[in-house]
Amino acid sequence: AQSVTQLDSHVSVSEGTPVLLRCNYSSSYSPSLFWYVQHPNKGLQLLLKYTSAATLVKGINGFEAEFKKSETSFHLTKPSAHMSDAAEYFCAVSGGSYIPTFGRGTSLIVHP
Amino acid sequence: DVKVTQSSRYLVKRTGEKVFLECVQDMDHENMFWYRQDPGLGLRLIYFSYDVKMKEKGDIPEGYSVSREKKERFSLILESASTNQTSMYLCASSLEAGGTYEQYFGPGTRLTVT
Repeated sequence: AQSVTQLDSHVSVSEGTPVLLRCNYSSSYSPSLFWYVQHPNKGLQLLLKYTSAATLVKGINGFEAEFKKSETSFHLTKPSAHMSDAAEYFCAVSGGSYIPTFGRGTSLIVHP
Repeated sequence: DVKVTQSSRYLVKRTGEKVFLECVQDMDHENMFWYRQDPGLGLRLIYFSYDVKMKEKGDIPEGYSVSREKKERFSLILESASTNQTSMYLCASSLEAGGTYEQYFGPGTRLTVT
């Protein structure tokens, strides 16, 4: 079995300040973990993924995430938010060969 | 670049109508998926297909069926549309069904059933 919990449904930051979007997972197998971004009225786009190589994963647009097995977490961070980062973010887990399970999403709001 | 296209961005249908949502991918992926996206509920898997003419139910298959006659095309069918099927529908494809392989998503079809 596998599941994902995104701990915040909404995160609000000011432009230029750090971003932290939290994701906890559960998996009976060694997990692959993904972060996707969805801009308004668009499909999902892969930001980054963890596949048992380096625990710190760098993605597109300055985002990165750290896999912490002991905490079963895969939080997404960015040092400095930009207005264009405003979007919905989804964390997903795939254990073994199972189809990914998605979290409920976190809406990132960026204030000027 | 992988491209996943969906036949309509917006669709308005009446209760009881039969509705077809079409999805096409151009990367020769074996696996294709249909999701439903609702606010606060994230993505929920309706059906997926791991080969031509093969399909598996996802988490919420009731009221839906699918068809995959060609590798690149995966159709979602609402046999008799109901208002509770008003939602955003997302199609995706991937090289493998799970594991380390990411999914590639289409732009979505926003369906309204009145």
